Amino acid sequence: AAGVIQSPRHLIKEKRETATLKCYPIPRHDTVYWYQQGPGQDPQFLISFYEKMQSDKGSIPDRFSAQQFSDYHSELNMSSLELGDSALYFCASSLRVSGPYTFGSGTRLTVV
Amino acid sequence: KNEVEQSPQNLTAQEGEFITINCSYSVGISALHWLQQHPGGGIVSLFMLSSGKKKHGRLIATINIQEKHSSLHITASHPRDSAVYICAVRSVAGGATNKLIFGTGTLLAVQP
Repeated sequence: AAGVIQSPRHLIKEKRETATLKCYPIPRHDTVYWYQQGPGQDPQFLISFYEKMQSDKGSIPDRFSAQQFSDYHSELNMSSLELGDSALYFCASSLRVSGPYTFGSGTRLTVV
Repeated sequence: KNEVEQSPQNLTAQEGEFITINCSYSVGISALHWLQQHPGGGIVSLFMLSSGKKKHGRLIATINIQEKHSSLHITASHPRDSAVYICAVRSVAGGATNKLIFGTGTLLAVQP
């Protein structure tokens, strides 16, 4: 069965560079969530989209932006990267806001 | 005080033992998730509960909405069960029903 696909799996960037992370939800899922998990920390909610509109916003820095496209995939754009942005970024999708989550395997971002 | 608390934080068991991990939460929820994360890996959703009990293979999850408490049980534990188990709730506070609030996780090590 198709799962939530994230790309890339690993990414190394230098400080002040930009990065784009992609998330492809399960087919027919219309809701996407982004979470950030720093080393040894709990995942923190960043932002979510339902039907291509932002549905909720968490602790997402102003340097980050995200959107959901017509095919329901989502991209997280990160600019002016800082060392503290190094983390595992994972997305999840669901059918409507109330549906069960399916998680992607995550993108591990390392900022050097 | 965290809104979602798990116990124990660390658990070491011998292969074959019955394991229980507990989760207590202080917010109103629409659902509770039990998740599994292997070191450095992505997150796998084990259960989503809103009431009662669910069973999948050797895993059993229960929830008591009145007491705001859930338990995850693993029967006949095996070394491959070694992972971090995370309780996460879908809060209804402020009308936001889609983002998850994560517990701090329970690191389980099952020794052969």
